Amino acid sequence: QVQLVESGGGLVKPGGSLRLSCAASGFTFSDYYMSWIRQAPGKGLEWVSYISSSGSTIYYADSVKGRFTISRDNAKNSLYLQMNSLRAEDTAVYYCARFVAAGVDPWGQGTLVTVSS
Amino acid sequence: QSALTQPASVSGSPGQSITISCTGTSSDVGGYNYVSWYQQHPGKAPKLMIYDVSNRPSGVSNRFSGSKSGNTASLTISGLQAEDEADYYCSSYTSSSTLVFGTGTKVTVL
Repeated sequence: QVQLVESGGGLVKPGGSLRLSCAASGFTFSDYYMSWIRQAPGKGLEWVSYISSSGSTIYYADSVKGRFTISRDNAKNSLYLQMNSLRAEDTAVYYCARFVAAGVDPWGQGTLVTVSS
Repeated sequence: QSALTQPASVSGSPGQSITISCTGTSSDVGGYNYVSWYQQHPGKAPKLMIYDVSNRPSGVSNRFSGSKSGNTASLTISGLQAEDEADYYCSSYTSSSTLVFGTGTKVTVL
């Protein structure tokens, strides 16, 4: 079955960096656009970034542009999110998700990133 | 990009129908037939319920339906059941080639 498993979350100080990974299985990873979406504690969903199947097309939310970098390794069926210059407001559960038409499905279980001194 | 506007809460009794609205602009909801709806139970990852305004993924109950008129999309849940109690979010593709989510709606089954 289609599965997405995120890893790499944790506690980091403001200004620090973290790299999230998402391991995909159960589908042809290289055929699909992929996305990162986050949810701050007790808050709603916020789209972060997406990347095309080849990696040639990338978009970011204004809130992370210039600080976050999305990438993928189709040979390893993996999606990444490099997060630099982290701020308290970046604290959230980060979900990896596959694009289906203009929706995203399925979603991984999420990985928690906490930015605090 | 501002979040799409949803009512904070909607409630209904078992068996009733409820409708959740999702209001955007001509640069997102009104400009494309790319509205999706997600269900999220507490502590769980969201689940896609509707894509491209009115299409249901395989396995999603036909009690869930979507529609759009102008800059407002809607999700209707008919025959409301206890397991439908959850948070619901809409999303839309935008003219900036990005995605935007709605503010979220808590559905309560009375």
